[in-house]
Amino acid sequence: QLQLQESGPGLVKPSETLSLTCTVSGGSIRSTSYYWVWIRQPPGKGLEWIGNIYYSGSTYYNPSLKSRVTISVDTSKNQFSLKLSSVTAADTAVYYCARRENIAARFDYWGQGTLATVSS
Amino acid sequence: DIQMTQSPSSLSASVGDRVTITCQASQDISNYLNWYQQKPGKAPKLLIYDASNLETGVPSRFSGSGSGTDFTFTISSLQPEDIATYYCQQYDNPSITFGQGTRLEIK
Repeated sequence: QLQLQESGPGLVKPSETLSLTCTVSGGSIRSTSYYWVWIRQPPGKGLEWIGNIYYSGSTYYNPSLKSRVTISVDTSKNQFSLKLSSVTAADTAVYYCARRENIAARFDYWGQGTLATVSS
Repeated sequence: DIQMTQSPSSLSASVGDRVTITCQASQDISNYLNWYQQKPGKAPKLLIYDASNLETGVPSRFSGSGSGTDFTFTISSLQPEDIATYYCQQYDNPSITFGQGTRLEIK
């Protein structure tokens, strides 16, 4: 059974960089059938797609966040990571990692989510 | 970017009721539309993909229909465990957007 687990600091200061890692177990991140994605959800609000990465390192980001987002992959560790720079309170959210089928874009496996709070 | 307008934003219904949620895309997205259920404190769960296909293991009381710009999600007979927020999600590759969500409550 595939499992995804987010990890990283729960508290980030304004203007700094939020860094999270997603560890994939029970399957290989090298699969050609899937992308690996980050999605976030501010408290009490809806879902926002942040971006995708393929095992080769190819990425695509939400245009509204593109200037501040970097997603990378480490196939040797079966992990992928998110960096979001110049954070503000508006970036406070539960951050989810998920698997996306590469054609149908259905998110079929999700991590449990991790709350990242931006505060001084 | 394609915008998704989901309605209603909240809904109260009784056990056994038929429940319908709609999602409208700002432009034609063919059948590139998925539906998710999210319970409080949990990650979303995929229910329907490609507008009308039931994900493996999902009860058959859930269904979806539509194509182009107008889509419908239906629970044929509401059960107490269906209390959740439901989201539509479009994929006009490479961009992806979600609807605003529909909070479903028991009357």
